[in-house]
Amino acid sequence: DADVTQTPRNRITKTGKRIMLECSQTKGHDRMYWYRQDPGLGLRLIYYSFDVKDINKGEISDGYSVSRQAQAKFSLSLESAIPNQTALYFCATSDLRGDGELFFGEGSRLTVL
Amino acid sequence: TQLLEQSPQFLSIQEGENLTVYCNSSSVFSSLQWYRQEPGEGPVLLVTVVTGGEVKKLKRLTFQFGDARKDSSLHITAAQPGDTGLYLCAATGNQFYFGTGTSLTVIP
Repeated sequence: DADVTQTPRNRITKTGKRIMLECSQTKGHDRMYWYRQDPGLGLRLIYYSFDVKDINKGEISDGYSVSRQAQAKFSLSLESAIPNQTALYFCATSDLRGDGELFFGEGSRLTVL
Repeated sequence: TQLLEQSPQFLSIQEGENLTVYCNSSSVFSSLQWYRQEPGEGPVLLVTVVTGGEVKKLKRLTFQFGDARKDSSLHITAAQPGDTGLYLCAATGNQFYFGTGTSLTVIP
């Protein structure tokens, strides 16, 4: 089983719908991240969390919200999806060290029509 | 504005050729990482460089961190089809900023 699991892997939805992407990890890491990937733009950080009570905005948090339900679970919500939120979304974890390795899930492809 | 700019954005080469990918910034970093991402998967860490001027080798891959710790390069010797993928540099820290990515295709 994967150490970082994302669900769903693929989702097609319509403009205005609420969408939740879920992430769970078995690595025991405190730090969790949500990234968005678009062609030619690399990975851009949406939100990150250093523990259950610590949530921080990344560089592109507008239109998104997150919930850290437990150390192992970090979900990303789009309250009212719009077409330019069509992208590949990745959850990642890392340990406490600032230069530690990021471990990624396999990604969730979201299409907003 | 991207914190880290990678070049080239796309690269298509024949098996056996050498190539270099660049990661540049105007900012100074405590360390930089390189990741490789294959289709349908998340990025996987290749290396972390920490010291200015540092060179690390991973089989046919050579990574260098600039003396001023603002840039890095990845050199692949005798590329193979298995090297095909998206290469991403990342500035480490609390937020891990990623570069724009270089998509490499190695043609058999």
